[in-house]
This record gives sequence, C-alpha cells and structure tokens, in this order.
Amino acid sequence: QSALTQPPSASGSPGQSVTISCTGTSSDVGSYNYVSWYQQHPGKAPKLTIYEVSKRPSGVPDRFSGSKSGNTASLTVSGLQAEDEADYYCISYAGSNNIIFGGGTKLTVL
Amino acid sequence: EVQLVESGGGLVQPGRSLRLSCTTSGFTFGDYAMNWVRQAPGKGLEWVGFIRTKAYGGTNEYAASVKGRFTISRDDSKSIAYLQMNSLKTEDTAVYYCTRAISNGWSPLYFDYWGQGALVTVSS
Repeated sequence: QSALTQPPSASGSPGQSVTISCTGTSSDVGSYNYVSWYQQHPGKAPKLTIYEVSKRPSGVPDRFSGSKSGNTASLTVSGLQAEDEADYYCISYAGSNNIIFGGGTKLTVL
Repeated sequence: EVQLVESGGGLVQPGRSLRLSCTTSGFTFGDYAMNWVRQAPGKGLEWVGFIRTKAYGGTNEYAASVKGRFTISRDDSKSIAYLQMNSLKTEDTAVYYCTRAISNGWSPLYFDYWGQGALVTVSS
C-alpha cells in the first residue's frame, strides 16, 4: 500500500491557524476512524497528538484538533505558538493488520 | 507514569546482528501489543513491526523491508520487548523507537506512548 500523502511543509504566523492534510484512499482513511497524528520536535520522539480522527490525549492543548472528510484527514493548529513548530505525521489503520504512515509535514511558525 | 526505554543500539557492520530491548514500566505490559517504528536520518517514520499480546497468540506482523531478517519478541514477566535484527544492511541505519500500541487485538490502531529511541548505525 502507498503512504498517506501529506504536504512537505506548512507555515503560519503566531496566533494564526494552520491546517495540515493527510490524504489516503477508500481502503484506509476513508474506511476507518483510526487516523492519528504525531508531533515530533527535532531530536525528540514523536508524541501522540490526536487519535481516532479527533480525540485529544490528556495534556494536549485544545488548540489542536482533528477532522476527516472522505479520504482526507486534517490536523488544525489554532492560535499558533512558537513551540508548535515541529514535524507532524499522520497514521491510519488500513484493515487486515495494515497500518500506513504519512510522509510528514514540517510546520514552521513564522 | 508510563515509560519505555530502548537500549542496545550502536555501530554494527553490514551482515551482522543486533538486539534492541525496550524496557517498560507504569502499565500492565501483558495487556498491550508492542510495536517498533524506525526513522532513518533526515527521513520520515517507517513502521517495522509489532507483536500481539499472549491473548492473541503473541504473534507478529512485519514490514516487507525487514520480514525474514527482524524478529520481535516479548517477555511479559520482565515487561520487556525485543527487536532482534539479523543480516543488517546499511539501509537499516535509523533511530528505532519502541511504542505501546493500542490495538484491536490483531492490528495496531495507533501508538500512545513512545520510547526515546535507539540509534542503530550499520556501516563497515
């Protein structure tokens, strides 16, 4: 199976909102509500930021939100802050013991 | 507090073997599937494989790139997961992350906790 498609980069100014897309197919993103997002700062381990499309783990600010429409999932960061600058990865369950990763998006806070 | 700590990384020659350990604490290890993800230098995340709980046979699934060379095992009595890597290639050079998997029993659905990573460098 092919990787999920994410834009290589995204950017926004402090206080603005930015949305990162994650496009799959009807066999993965479109079929299951098991899309998750991970934030990774340089030199650090990824951290679960959104799971099951739109749920936030304890401790993740409510500035982070997730959604899905058809075969595309999205991560929105509202009220952008300097510490949000990081790489973001999406992952989707794809049935039959398969899990698919996105290529990652580098978010820059201008 | 849930903690996962990888160990055993280092420099290894092509064709040789290496075993990583993932020592965990803060949760009932036997109740969770465990998973490995790697990240080559400057690249994105790549799924390596996972091991189911004993309730689901303790069986494994692997990415095509490592199948037949890598083996994941678990010791529930010690709360440790292992990644045995044989016939290593230069393209296996990466940081290897151990993750706790939230699963449906048979497949990982997402990864809620990650270790800090262990660097494996395959070079002559």
